[in-house]
Amino acid sequence: DTTVKQNPRYKLARVGKPVNLICSQTMNHDTMYWYQKKPNQAPKLLLFYYDKILNREADTFEKFQSSRPNNSFCSLYIGSAGLEYSAMYLCASSRPLGGRYAEQFFGPGTRLTVL
Amino acid sequence: QQKVQQSPESLSVPEGGMASLNCTSSDRNFQYFWWYRQHSGEGPKALMSIFSDGDKKEGRFTAHLNKASLHVSLHIRDSQPSDSALYFCAASEGNSNNRIFFGDGTQLVVKP
Repeated sequence: DTTVKQNPRYKLARVGKPVNLICSQTMNHDTMYWYQKKPNQAPKLLLFYYDKILNREADTFEKFQSSRPNNSFCSLYIGSAGLEYSAMYLCASSRPLGGRYAEQFFGPGTRLTVL
Repeated sequence: QQKVQQSPESLSVPEGGMASLNCTSSDRNFQYFWWYRQHSGEGPKALMSIFSDGDKKEGRFTAHLNKASLHVSLHIRDSQPSDSALYFCAASEGNSNNRIFFGDGTQLVVKP
């Protein structure tokens, strides 16, 4: 099973309110990623977990938080949503050992709309 | 500056035709390249990887890499309507954290 699942598929949030997105995989992948995708733009890496170590990209460091309570689950947390957070959020995972040849497996995404 | 650039932004080809997608990187640390494909309502899915100079063929799909010019291309022969999708070029330095950088994508439409 090479499925990455994301919940919810659609999320409506109010400006200033928190948002929590969930991702799960059962492939025993050691690395899990979160990307932000806006129309006509490349998926932008926000952060990733290598095992239990969180790495956040420098330009989005203060905007997103994450947790990984076990190997299978990873969350993306926005403390106070702004209009600019409206986007598709993609979760991905990669194979054991995080080898340089490893492809990433993506979930279907969560479409977040902030009003 | 975005590290991976793709062209064209959109492409329309007739069924049975050849589709050619291009990708250029501005970072000479990139050594490993992928093509990902995303159908509507789904997440991106890896289509092909190419790590060495030259051509790599998988069925109707051929990828070409020129590391000297950091140029990657994808050619789809005998295009089918089911090939209609958003195609991303992605590049990696190949270090242990497996960070990859995506281009903006090429929207391919194959018309019956």
